[in-house]
Amino acid sequence: GENVEQHPSTLSVQEGDSAVIKCTYSDSASNYFPWYKQELGKGPQLIIDIRSNVGEKKDQRIAVTLNKTAKHFSLHITETQPEDSAVYFCAASFGNEKLTFGTGTRLTIIP
Amino acid sequence: EADIYQTPRYLVIGTGKKITLECSQTMGHDKMYWYQQDPGMELHLIHYSYGVNSTEKGDLSSESTVSRIRTEHFPLTLESARPSHTSQYLCASSETAMNTEAFFGQGTRLTVV
Repeated sequence: GENVEQHPSTLSVQEGDSAVIKCTYSDSASNYFPWYKQELGKGPQLIIDIRSNVGEKKDQRIAVTLNKTAKHFSLHITETQPEDSAVYFCAASFGNEKLTFGTGTRLTIIP
Repeated sequence: EADIYQTPRYLVIGTGKKITLECSQTMGHDKMYWYQQDPGMELHLIHYSYGVNSTEKGDLSSESTVSRIRTEHFPLTLESARPSHTSQYLCASSETAMNTEAFFGQGTRLTVV
């Protein structure tokens, strides 16, 4: 089955700087790569996703890049703000298969 | 905003008690999931369902059981709670179509004393 590794597990970034979280996956058939944000006391919520026919996707301050050859994808947050502090999960899946989540990254934005 | 609800939000219960965690969604999703989230953040899939009368065990072995009698309802039951069951439990749902978003409830934080 699919295995997703996520790094780093914790990340502290000065407000206004950029944050990057990286994930690698094992199953070359995987074709869907979402990112979830979990705020304190809440369930994870989708913030951006990318499909294997696209190399990069951007939504305001958030971008995701995908390298299918190397089997890794990354989340980039620019101009970080205090409300970006949360736990972030990457995930991967193929077709109708269930999502396989990474182990999570706790991001802290330092004012 | 996701229309998926979990009750209760918090539950403190004694060892040996039977408990049921409720999960309901109003989006008509066929797929539903239960995750156990440990303090280290990691999400562990314990049960999933692809439709009515369909339930499967997830990647992490769990003493809990689930049922799916109605599309919108996916309760999780522990027949005899133990302190090792103390955790955060998250329910999620998604459409049948490929590569679609999973919507999560707010979770139930269970403490067994």
